[in-house]
Order: sequence, then C-alpha cells, then structure tokens
Amino acid sequence: AQSVAQPEDQVNVAEGNPLTVKCTYSVSGNPYLFWYVQYPNRGLQFLLKYITGDNLVKGSYGFEAEFNKSQTSFHLKKPSALVSDSALYFCAVRARPGNNRKLIWGLGTSLAVNP
Amino acid sequence: EAGVTQSPTHLIKTRGQQATLRCSPISGHTSVYWYQQALGLGLQFLLWYDEGEERNRGNFPPRFSGRQFPNYSSELNVNALELEDSALYLCASSPRLESYEQYFGPGTRLTVT
Repeated sequence: AQSVAQPEDQVNVAEGNPLTVKCTYSVSGNPYLFWYVQYPNRGLQFLLKYITGDNLVKGSYGFEAEFNKSQTSFHLKKPSALVSDSALYFCAVRARPGNNRKLIWGLGTSLAVNP
Repeated sequence: EAGVTQSPTHLIKTRGQQATLRCSPISGHTSVYWYQQALGLGLQFLLWYDEGEERNRGNFPPRFSGRQFPNYSSELNVNALELEDSALYLCASSPRLESYEQYFGPGTRLTVT
C-alpha cells in the first residue's frame, strides 16, 4: 500500500539553528513529492515540490528539500529557523504515471521554534 | 487574486442529517479537490472534479458525494451523517494546465453530535 511517513510528531529547534523535518514514502516508481505548511486557523500553504531534475529543490520562505531516491526520502530543511516558522508541516506524494491527482499525505510534524 | 473560499466556516449537524459544504476555486482554476482532515488520521483524499466531471474518488462510502458547477465552484454533500464524519473538510483548486501543486481554502469544520 502507498504511504507517507513523518516519523516525528514534533520537532523543537532554537531560533537561528538549522531545522530538518523528515519524510519517507512508500510509493512505486518515482513519485511527485510535496511539502505544505499549515498555520493555526489557516489553510494549507504550498511550500515546494519535486517533479524531476535536481534532487535539491528550493521553495518559499527559505525552505528547501532533498529528494533521495535510494532512501525514498524527501526531508525538509532550512538553514536558520525563525520563530514564525512554527507550524504544522505535511509531506505529500503523488504516484506517477497516471493522472489521478490523488495526494497521499503524512500525518504532519509540528515544528516549534523557540526564541 | 482571491484565494480558495469555503463556506460555511463551521457547521454543526446531528447524526443522520445531511451536510452541504461549498467551495469556490481561485479564478481560472478548473479543478477542485476535497479532503477530510480528521483528528489523528491526517488528510484523506475524497474527490477530484475537473470541468464538471468527477475524475477520481478516494476510499469513502457513497454517502460522500459532490458536484462541480459550470462556474467551477463545487459542493460536497455528506448524507446520513455519522459521529466519525466530524472533521475539517478542505477544498483545494488547481489550474487547467497541470501545475502539480494544489491551493487550499481555510476549510469547513463539521461537527456531528
């Protein structure tokens, strides 16, 4: 069965330190990969995606993610965390080929950046 | 540019009743997606509509249904409500041309008592 795992329910990091939010997936082939962020009382916002090409993708707000095919991972990273980065982060994948547009989601990781 | 809008913000229903949730996509977007975000279960894909047609459906019973109107807005209907239907229902949209990412609305919080 296709699945996405975010092994950490919560990540705590001090402001200014680098942060990593982990994501691994179990989807056949080379899926499309996404990160979204959910702030309190607001909808999900798209951060970045991997479709093809360079394994390191850059997205909004200084975030980046690295696709690792051998480890089936797509970890989210930021060199220097801000308190305003505190939110709920979701990893999602979409199998290819096919055009079913179905996203499979991880359960989310709560990021807390401490001042 | 206005984002995806959803109404109502909150909806309280009694078990057995029907609920209707509405979504207006970003202008120019033709695809609408519905997701259920239940506590502890994460986001679950419900439905995808494009150009008025249902294109894909998640693993939900038939009492979850919907439609897309000619102006690309959409309704999600949940019949015979059960307590476990209580969740945040999120709508997302995407453009006519494949862009991969989806743009989400703020959601409708459905509470079934």
